Amino acid sequence: DSGVTQTPKHLITATGQRVTLRCSPRSGDLSVYWYQQSLDQGLQFLIQYYNGEERAKGNILERFSAQQFPDLHSELNLSSLELGDSALYFCASSVGTTPSGELFFGEGSRLTVL
Amino acid sequence: GNSVTQMEGPVTLSEEAFLTINCTYTATGYPSLFWYVQYPGEGLQLLLKATKADDKGSNKGFEATYRKETTSFHLEKGSVQVSDSAVYFCALSLSGAGSYQLTFGKGTKLSVIP
Repeated sequence: DSGVTQTPKHLITATGQRVTLRCSPRSGDLSVYWYQQSLDQGLQFLIQYYNGEERAKGNILERFSAQQFPDLHSELNLSSLELGDSALYFCASSVGTTPSGELFFGEGSRLTVL
Repeated sequence: GNSVTQMEGPVTLSEEAFLTINCTYTATGYPSLFWYVQYPGEGLQLLLKATKADDKGSNKGFEATYRKETTSFHLEKGSVQVSDSAVYFCALSLSGAGSYQLTFGKGTKLSVIP
């Protein structure tokens, strides 16, 4: 158990809809990262928050947004969903932003868009 | 840009066989290098890491050496077990402007048969 909690574990929805994925980081971790894992693209970094502020952006679509709340949990909002958004979405956390640090991953939220 | 290339899978080995999973990287600057493992139905977890050239990371019988001259970080294990069946990801990190991102390879699925 990594200590990172993601909900929901599975989500099935239709094209055009909007969903919210939630992540609670490990106790004491200030950074939260979102990754998308799909068969064709592999693991893609989406976005990082550190102590409530956006710190880095990766290949995140404009239809997607995220935020980190004062209690450090984070939400990833996906809107106007398309079939290609079907993927496993991972949240990870770390204590800080140092390159030698370890990321702790949740078990992921599997999104299926029909 | 930064990238990681690892050998395509799947790899199927018999128990007690020798394992090598190749990983090479392209990066500006001096990255830290990681191997993460994803067991079925779980999130990724750190297997080992190396933060500078010639460092050797090791854990659970796995090891990898950071080779700057060949930009490689190949994963090896002398005798695999059925419990090593998983997907293995090579990754690098570079810090910049206070951010910390992991760039992953596409993963190599390992199946070990008794």
